[in-house]
Amino acid sequence: EADIYQTPRYLVIGTGKKITLECSQTMGHDKMYWYQQDPGMELHLIHYSYGVNSTEKGDLSSESTVSRIRTEHFPLTLESARPSHTSQYLCASSDPGPAGGELFFGEGSRLTVL
Amino acid sequence: QKEVEQNSGPLSVPEGAIASLNCTYSDRGSQSFFWYRQYSGKSPELIMSIYSNGDKEDGRFTAQLNKASQYVSLLIRDSQPSDSATYLCAVTPWGGYNKLIFGAGTRLAVHP
Repeated sequence: EADIYQTPRYLVIGTGKKITLECSQTMGHDKMYWYQQDPGMELHLIHYSYGVNSTEKGDLSSESTVSRIRTEHFPLTLESARPSHTSQYLCASSDPGPAGGELFFGEGSRLTVL
Repeated sequence: QKEVEQNSGPLSVPEGAIASLNCTYSDRGSQSFFWYRQYSGKSPELIMSIYSNGDKEDGRFTAQLNKASQYVSLLIRDSQPSDSATYLCAVTPWGGYNKLIFGAGTRLAVHP
């Protein structure tokens, strides 16, 4: 069973606020990811990390930033939230398999910016 | 053209029937192929992976890959109402190790 946790599960905030979405995993995975998903739409990779102090931007441009100071922790921050940031944010990690395609997802953080 | 394309559905099948889900991808150099299941309001979970041409079976699920046609499919035999979900096709593109590209998914509805 996957052990990857996201908080908060739901967040409603006003425009201009700074928010941090937390993601932690207890599986010791080096690779971690943040995906963004709107209802009925594809998951889009916005950030990924191959290990401590390694972060890269994904294919979808995002105003968010991430950090990876500890293996188990991969938080995502928005300095100034806007209504366009309203979405579901999914954190995932993967084991060092041959193609690394088995992603373990957290339960997601649904963000609404008013 | 999207990198990974799926029919959004819904695909409606009766209980006990075979559900056939299809996916095409644009990057001919794609390496690895995956099917994820996502229940409404939940996160995706991996159900099948396939890396070489042909069929791969796991219980009621069979994944089929045809790299020449850039086509991957998922068959679900003896469909159950609990199989009702959105099925996401995901592909690792050439040079994109560990960077999965997801399709928008096909919604499957299995009715009793």
